[in-house]
Amino acid sequence: NAGVTQTPKFQVLKTGQSMTLQCAQDMNHNSMYWYRQDPGMGLRLIYYSASEGTTDKGEVPNGYNVSRLNKREFSLRLESAAPSQTSVYFCASKSGLGTNEQFFGPGTRLTVL
Amino acid sequence: QKEVEQNSGPLSVPEGAIASLNCTYSDRGSQSFFWYRQYSGKSPELIMFIYSNGDKEDGRFTAQLNKASQYVSLLIRDSQPSDSATYLCAVASGGSYIPTFGRGTSLIVHP
Repeated sequence: NAGVTQTPKFQVLKTGQSMTLQCAQDMNHNSMYWYRQDPGMGLRLIYYSASEGTTDKGEVPNGYNVSRLNKREFSLRLESAAPSQTSVYFCASKSGLGTNEQFFGPGTRLTVL
Repeated sequence: QKEVEQNSGPLSVPEGAIASLNCTYSDRGSQSFFWYRQYSGKSPELIMFIYSNGDKEDGRFTAQLNKASQYVSLLIRDSQPSDSATYLCAVASGGSYIPTFGRGTSLIVHP
């Protein structure tokens, strides 16, 4: 049981390049989330998926797109990376039942030059 | 705009002391309250959650919720150097339970 996994762990991009961050969970959770965390800041929600087949914008969606590929996988795409998107990105999942606890992946450290 | 406020710290306490971390929130409709611990370079992990007014204890940790005053706190008894981390307060409301996170309080426990 790996929990929430993310790939890659580290990535360096040049301005204007595109990339997709991958996230998968093996806990049969309904809801999945993408956050970014900047120094001295809390977690800011980019997009979330309350259930398979649905996605919604969070607090800071500009410059990002998401795909809920199936119940397990939720990807985040940067179409044209900008230095302002340099951050640590966390994926999380939640079962939708019980405690509403979110389980976080290990994070992706992205630098845009 | 839902806001969750925390003192950024650092809060420095000696080993064995009680560490008290505080969080205030703006949305009176908030229903779920969480404390996450985040070690440097790692992802957040849930340590406490509380839904009702009052205290909830789990080992060395106690969460306190006062909805009338819109604050939630975390007490860590017998603090250990291994408790040194950033503590994130998260508050959620509504059926979707999308939490809003505070910026976190850095705790340093010195021997």
